[in-house]
Amino acid sequence: EPEVTQTPSHQVTQMGQEVILRCVPISNHLYFYWYRQILGQKVEFLVSFYNNEISEKSEIFDDQFSVERPDGSNFTLKIRSTKLEDSAMYFCASSGGRYSYEQYFGPGTRLTVT
Amino acid sequence: AQKITQTQPGMFVQEKEAVTLDCTYDTSDQSYGLFWYKQPSSGEMIFLIYQGSYDEQNATEGRYSLNFQKARKSANLVISASQLGDSAMYFCAMREGRGGGGGNKLTFGTGTQLKVEL
Repeated sequence: EPEVTQTPSHQVTQMGQEVILRCVPISNHLYFYWYRQILGQKVEFLVSFYNNEISEKSEIFDDQFSVERPDGSNFTLKIRSTKLEDSAMYFCASSGGRYSYEQYFGPGTRLTVT
Repeated sequence: AQKITQTQPGMFVQEKEAVTLDCTYDTSDQSYGLFWYKQPSSGEMIFLIYQGSYDEQNATEGRYSLNFQKARKSANLVISASQLGDSAMYFCAMREGRGGGGGNKLTFGTGTQLKVEL
């Protein structure tokens, strides 16, 4: 069964460093998303991406964040200069076509900023 | 106002019994959809079930069913014949329509921790 994959599963970085979180969405899906979940809290939307551009972003997704689909399979989230409060689980998700709304999540990357 | 409200922080159910997890939502859109996800202690988010606002029948997927009451703005998850493996956090989420297009962001509730006991 097709699934969303994410690497790495756990990333530890120092404050101020850049990190890139990687995702491979389900192959025939058209819409891609990043969400985050701070420990013990609810899941929050960061950004959605369609047709090689951002379609929506939240207030959390400021200039420190960027997304890219560098090739036909990968979808990345970059945080330019990490802060302590960026520590969270980051989930990538994808959904299919125009009227296929189910979003399938990857296993997540736990980011720890020290 | 919260868009998604889950009022049960924790629930207990005995194995083989049915359990209902509550979810109410708030939206002024005509086109929207409700989702339920399961998050086991390992952390992944597992899609369980989806109900669109225009769907006339309640969604069902195996032991999961969604009790959709549009007038009351509720979308409760019913798990029948609970199993020990159902112990997890359950999140209700909503997408709101923007005139079509699958790329709608999800807004999540705070979750309900379900514990299935022998």
